[in-house]
Amino acid sequence: AQTIHQWPVAEIKAVGSPLSLGCTIKGKSSPNLYWYWQATGGTLQQLFYSITVGQVESVVQLNLSASRPKDDQFILSTEKLLLSHSGFYLCAWEAGGSQNTLYFGAGTRLSVL
Amino acid sequence: GDSVTQTEGLVTLTKGLPVMLNCTYQTTYSPFLFWYVQHLNEAPKLLLKSSTDNKRTEHQGFYATLHKSSSSFHLQKSSVQLSDSALYFCASRNSNNRIFFGDGTQLVVKP
Repeated sequence: AQTIHQWPVAEIKAVGSPLSLGCTIKGKSSPNLYWYWQATGGTLQQLFYSITVGQVESVVQLNLSASRPKDDQFILSTEKLLLSHSGFYLCAWEAGGSQNTLYFGAGTRLSVL
Repeated sequence: GDSVTQTEGLVTLTKGLPVMLNCTYQTTYSPFLFWYVQHLNEAPKLLLKSSTDNKRTEHQGFYATLHKSSSSFHLQKSSVQLSDSALYFCASRNSNNRIFFGDGTQLVVKP
């Protein structure tokens, strides 16, 4: 069975500090990977997606960047956090092809102070 | 452009009553619609999906029918339970691997 693991579970960071969030998928080769951002109780905003190692497409950057260094790993980062970066970050995977279903990780709750 | 519209931000119901959460979409791609449910402090989970016109799809007591003629995919349940209280998202996929989520409808079920 496929599993998706996000880290860390939660972060409290200062404005201007760097950030790195991670996501690992096990049990599935070559998944499509996605990063979403959600304000508290808000909608899900797609940030980035990747269909293969080393390739990342930006949907909405929000002064963030993403990388896919390995087939099963997706990283979200920034060198300088803003207050507006606070929220819930969700990594998701999809089998690709015609599966058309997103499976979300448990998420990382980020508070920028 | 592609979009998904959920007209209700908050729906409050008493346990045992029926519910319908509205979802309409706009897409230039062949529509593939989803309903996701997100309980408090949890990740969204798939509830239903469909790309077949006029075919009812069901899961866990919830059901929805994709109507391409009206660009709708409303979520229904005949009798809501306390455990159904959650945030419900309708979503649509386009050809650019972008999945559009609606703003979400918060369902609150009271005893």
